[in-house]
Amino acid sequence: DVKVTQSSRYLVKRTGEKVFLECVQDMDHENMFWYRQDPGLGLRLIYFSYDVKMKEKGDIPEGYSVSREKKERFSLILESASTNQTSMYLCASSFRTGMGTEAFFGQGTRLTVV
Amino acid sequence: AQTVTQSQPEMSVQEAETVTLSCTYDTSENNYYLFWYKQPPSRQMILVIRQEAYKQQNATENRFSVNFQKAAKSFSLKISDSQLGDTAMYFCAFMSLDSNYQLIWGAGTKLIIKP
Repeated sequence: DVKVTQSSRYLVKRTGEKVFLECVQDMDHENMFWYRQDPGLGLRLIYFSYDVKMKEKGDIPEGYSVSREKKERFSLILESASTNQTSMYLCASSFRTGMGTEAFFGQGTRLTVV
Repeated sequence: AQTVTQSQPEMSVQEAETVTLSCTYDTSENNYYLFWYKQPPSRQMILVIRQEAYKQQNATENRFSVNFQKAAKSFSLKISDSQLGDTAMYFCAFMSLDSNYQLIWGAGTKLIIKP
């Protein structure tokens, strides 16, 4: 079974803290994604990586950065957490091309910034 | 830019009934994939069904089938003989083959199956 594992299920952080969300996949996928999920807005792409050390901005990158030093790991960083970053964060991975383009998701991290 | 619209924020049906979830999309491209994903309460998002735009035949996976109308840019999901375990958020998603295989998502439909 494909596994995408996010480091925390629930997280509470204070305003101004630096926050790290980690994601690891075990399927040798090239693509990895960080989404933010808010009610009524669906999933919004924060950042996308198609290879080690490569990254592309998604629709809402402001206030976030990412790191991909190894193929299996993709980290999302909130440089200075703010209350409007309270949300559910989903990590996903997929093969880059071909029929295996199905995205596999982690269980999500519900982040609350107080 | 591509957009995906799910016009039903919430639906509920009785167990064993058939339910159809709507999805429309907007694109000028010819080659793309369409997906329905399911997110059960407090559980991981999983793929329900996928459709390749070049295929005219509608995809089917057991009790799940789609009605893909390419000209109308419509991609509805039909769930037959609904079960309590079908209760979930359902998301429609579009993937262009020309954009690094990124997914464009609808806002989701919350489906509740009542016993």
